[in-house]
Amino acid sequence: EVQLVESGGGLVQTGGSLTLSCVASGFTFSSYWMSWVRQAPGKGLEWLTDIKEDGTDKYYVDSVKGRFSISRDNAKNSLNLQMNSLRAEDTAVYYCARDQGVSGTDDWYFDLWGRGTLVTVS
Amino acid sequence: EVVLTQSPGSLSLSPGERATFSCRASQTINGNFLAWYQQKPAQAPRLLISSASTRATGIPDRFSGSGSGTDFTLTISSLEPEDSAQYYCQRYQQSSASYTFGQGTKLEIK
Repeated sequence: EVQLVESGGGLVQTGGSLTLSCVASGFTFSSYWMSWVRQAPGKGLEWLTDIKEDGTDKYYVDSVKGRFSISRDNAKNSLNLQMNSLRAEDTAVYYCARDQGVSGTDDWYFDLWGRGTLVTVS
Repeated sequence: EVVLTQSPGSLSLSPGERATFSCRASQTINGNFLAWYQQKPAQAPRLLISSASTRATGIPDRFSGSGSGTDFTLTISSLEPEDSAQYYCQRYQQSSASYTFGQGTKLEIK
């Protein structure tokens, strides 16, 4: 079955750190860009970061730049998000998502999502 | 940065009715590369439409997308009770290497 499964969420103190993981199965993980997207309670979706197939390129939204770090291990089909200096406004469900699109264009979207993992910063 | 504004904020319609969701971009979206997602309560988003009008695999044909430039529309032709959800539009901008979502429209089925 093609799926993404996140883990690692939980309660963390303000200023603390947490690492989220996402394990992929059912598809060739190393062939896809991957993203993290979050959703604060009762709010909309916010893209945070993505990483190239081989891990050489990474992009971040300004609100997490310098605090969050994305990485991947293609041998283990896993995607990680290291989150430091956490703030109350980082409280959200964090989703792992597969990027799909055409390189060199704006034609990119998310065709596979995990069920998410909840991070609470208090 | 392109801002996506969705309207209305919420809809309340009956089964069998037509639902229309609007997504307006602050700048022209070249190539009409706009996607739509459905998110039911406590579930992950699901891709419905890419490139403004291409249905994703397994999406019923009652879902359709249209539009160009700055104005895009998602239409559900005949509502089913299971269509009750939040709907989001999304675009990617290569120049900033970033994705943007609209704020969403909530659909309630009476």
